[in-house]
Amino acid sequence: DMKVTQMPRYLIKRMGENVLLECGQDMSHETMYWYRQDPGLGLQLIYISYDVDSNSEGDIPKGYRVSRKKREHFSLILDSAKTNQTSVYFCASSLPGVSNERLFFGHGTKLSVL
Amino acid sequence: GQQVQQSPASLVLQEGENAELQCNFSSTATRLQWFYQHPGGRLVSLFYNPSGTKHTGRLTSTTVTNERRGSLHISSSQTTDSGTYFCAIDLSNTGKLTFGDGTVLTVKP
Repeated sequence: DMKVTQMPRYLIKRMGENVLLECGQDMSHETMYWYRQDPGLGLQLIYISYDVDSNSEGDIPKGYRVSRKKREHFSLILDSAKTNQTSVYFCASSLPGVSNERLFFGHGTKLSVL
Repeated sequence: GQQVQQSPASLVLQEGENAELQCNFSSTATRLQWFYQHPGGRLVSLFYNPSGTKHTGRLTSTTVTNERRGSLHISSSQTTDSGTYFCAIDLSNTGKLTFGDGTVLTVKP
């Protein structure tokens, strides 16, 4: 069963709190991603992970960090969340290498920072 | 973003009509992909099409890399085709996709 699972689906936090978004996949994909999507816009890449402990910044990494200690698990951390980090966050995984022929997405986490 | 531009921004069709969605990009990067986002938010990969033409069902993806453009053709549209369609490009050949802002398609019965 090919699946990318994100937890939680909805999250409300206060400004300054720490946030942990978790993502798991059961396909043994090497490459995983964190994107955010703001209303009316496309997805923006926060971080890409090519494998365990092999992470690379995307277009908007400021204010975020990631952790990949197991191939099937990729976490996004917001240290001291800001109101402008209110967004929908999508995790994805893809087949090995940079060809990323097909991305599999999670359902998304809707984060509100008050 | 500016590096990947989609048109039109929105499109309204009557069921049965065809749709042509455009994607223009700023470099000769390949690895163009098309994604569909359900009205509820779920994202699905439609095509990985670095060049040429690919078909699946009523969908056809065409990429002309040296002209820096791609298109997605939807034939005989159905109400269930409603949603947002995104194209994305790997501009740096690193697996890091840059998305356009999408085309919102509404198909009326």
